[in-house]
Order: sequence, then structure tokens, then C-alpha cells
Amino acid sequence: GGIITQTPKFLIGQEGQKLTLKCQQNFNHDTMYWYRQDSGKGLRLIYYSITENDLQKGDLSEGYDASREKKSSFSLTVTSAQKNEMAVFLCASSRLGGYQDTQYFGPGTRLLVL
Amino acid sequence: QQKVQQSPESLIVPEGGMASLNCTSSDRNVDYFWWYRQHSGKSPKMLMSIFSNGEKEEGRFTVHLNKASLHTSLHIRDSQPSDSALYLCAASVTQVVGQLTFGRGTRLQVYA
Repeated sequence: GGIITQTPKFLIGQEGQKLTLKCQQNFNHDTMYWYRQDSGKGLRLIYYSITENDLQKGDLSEGYDASREKKSSFSLTVTSAQKNEMAVFLCASSRLGGYQDTQYFGPGTRLLVL
Repeated sequence: QQKVQQSPESLIVPEGGMASLNCTSSDRNVDYFWWYRQHSGKSPKMLMSIFSNGEKEEGRFTVHLNKASLHTSLHIRDSQPSDSALYLCAASVTQVVGQLTFGRGTRLQVYA
């Protein structure tokens, strides 16, 4: 077994601010993901990484940067927070990233922009 | 347009009843379906996956797949209040790394 931790749990930012979310996993999985979950919209993929120093854009990458400096960690940066933005950011990992690999999710970071 | 459509948006069933949730993909390349369950304030957890035509049963949960129509359904028999959650359907494509497309979910409420 393993665990995914995300920090911080809650993030309150100001409009235009750059905000960084962090994710760590001890599954020793190769592939890691960042999703955004808005109320009523399911999960949308922002970035994923199939190995250390790899980055692949998802459907929602505009307005975000990501970084995978080592196998166990994956960071996401909101480059310019939008006023009244409210969403949950979920980090996930899977063993290899193949189409039949289960993705395991972290507890999420809840973002509110004032 | 959402590539993975789920219905109904919400569902209320009595304790002990049967809950039936539906999911259809509009992407003809999809060949693997997943069902995740997300309790309020928690992270999604994989419930079942299916890629072959037919059905798969695990305890009170049964998943059906019709590959020709790209339709999958999740049935929960003897529903319990602890089954109350958001159920997310997701689809993936062979040879495409990392690409899970999620639907908007069905919110199930089981009342005692």
C-alpha cells in the first residue's frame, strides 16, 4: 500500500497571485497527475508526468505550470489566481500510466481566491 | 461537449433498494471504463473497472459493459446509507498514456 499527501489542505489567495500546490506519493509510482474538480463538472486533467522531469499537458493546462523534480513529488502552480475562483485540486498517481492502471488520489487542496 | 455522459445527475433510493447508474462515452476509441466513488469531502477511490463485454460482480456491486454502444452501468443492490456518495465514471483508450476522461458524476443518496 501507499499514501498520497497534498499540501496545503486549504489555500486562500488573492487575485493575480501565484500559488503553488504540492503532492507527494510513496507508492513508488511512475506516473502522477493533477486534476481540477469544480462543483458539477467532474474531474478535468491539468497536467500529468510519466517520469521524473517529464511533463504532459492535459485539457486544462492554460493558466497552470507544473514541475516533477523527483519521482515521488509533483507540484502545480496557479500562475495568476482568478477572482472568486473556487475549486478542489486533486493529485493522483498510477504505477505506469497505462490505460488499465488504476489511479490513486490524494485528499485534495481546496482553493479559494478572494 | 462532455465525452463521458452520466445519468441520472442525482438518485435517491431507500436502504435495501437497488441503485442503477449509467455512463456512455462518445469517443469510439474508448475501450476501458472505470467507476470511482467519492464520499463527501474525500478523494475518489476506484470501485470497479471493466473492458470486456458483459458483466462483472463484486459483492453488492455489478458493472455491465456494452462495447458496441460504449455504455456501462453500475448497479448497487441492497443499498446502504454508507453508499451515499458521488459516483464518477471514467474512460480510457488503449495506447494513450495517462488519459482518463471523467464524467460529471451521479450523486447517490440512500435513506434509512
